[in-house]
Amino acid sequence: QLQLQESGPGLVKPSETLSLTCTVSGGSISSSSYYWGWIRQPPGKGLEWIGSIYYSGSTYYNPSLKSRVTISVDTSKNQFSLKLSSVTAADTAVYYCARHLRGDYEDWGQGTLVTVSS
Amino acid sequence: QSVLTQPPSASGTPGQRVTISCSGSSSNIGSNYVYWYQQLPGTAPKLLIYRNNQRPSGVPDRFSGSKSGTSASLAISGLRSEDEADYYCAAWDDSLSGLFGGGTKLTVL
Repeated sequence: QLQLQESGPGLVKPSETLSLTCTVSGGSISSSSYYWGWIRQPPGKGLEWIGSIYYSGSTYYNPSLKSRVTISVDTSKNQFSLKLSSVTAADTAVYYCARHLRGDYEDWGQGTLVTVSS
Repeated sequence: QSVLTQPPSASGTPGQRVTISCSGSSSNIGSNYVYWYQQLPGTAPKLLIYRNNQRPSGVPDRFSGSKSGTSASLAISGLRSEDEADYYCAAWDDSLSGLFGGGTKLTVL
């Protein structure tokens, strides 16, 4: 069974870069046809798609975040990563990684809370 | 404000049938599948309906989905207390973006 686990700092200072890694186990991140994505959820609010990387390496980003987001993959470690630059308090959220086929988010990590505060 | 529009809340009594709507546009719901997710407090969303109206194994047949044009609906029949949760619709957009609805909080009275 596929498992995803987010990891990274739980506290980031304003204006700095948020960096998270998702480690995939029970399956290969190079599996054809799948996207590997990041979704976030501010406290008490709804889900927001941040972006995804396709198995081929192509990346797709939320237009509202595109200028600040980078998603990359490390196939040797079966991991993919998120970098979000110039963070503000509005970026405080639970960040989820997920495997998906377009809108079909089949598998999710448990989520990790990242707080932006000085 | 989400591109996919859902009512912020819905409610019903045990045994009732409740529907939750999700409205989009021709570039997302109108030309792509719709998915529904259930999120219980403190947990990751769980896939409830895929490809408009298909249920993953293990999801009770009390849950059903439908789509017409640029709108979709999730119906829950025989409402139970454990159905109290947040529900989200999702779709892919032709601009190659992922979309979620704003979410609907379902209360079982």
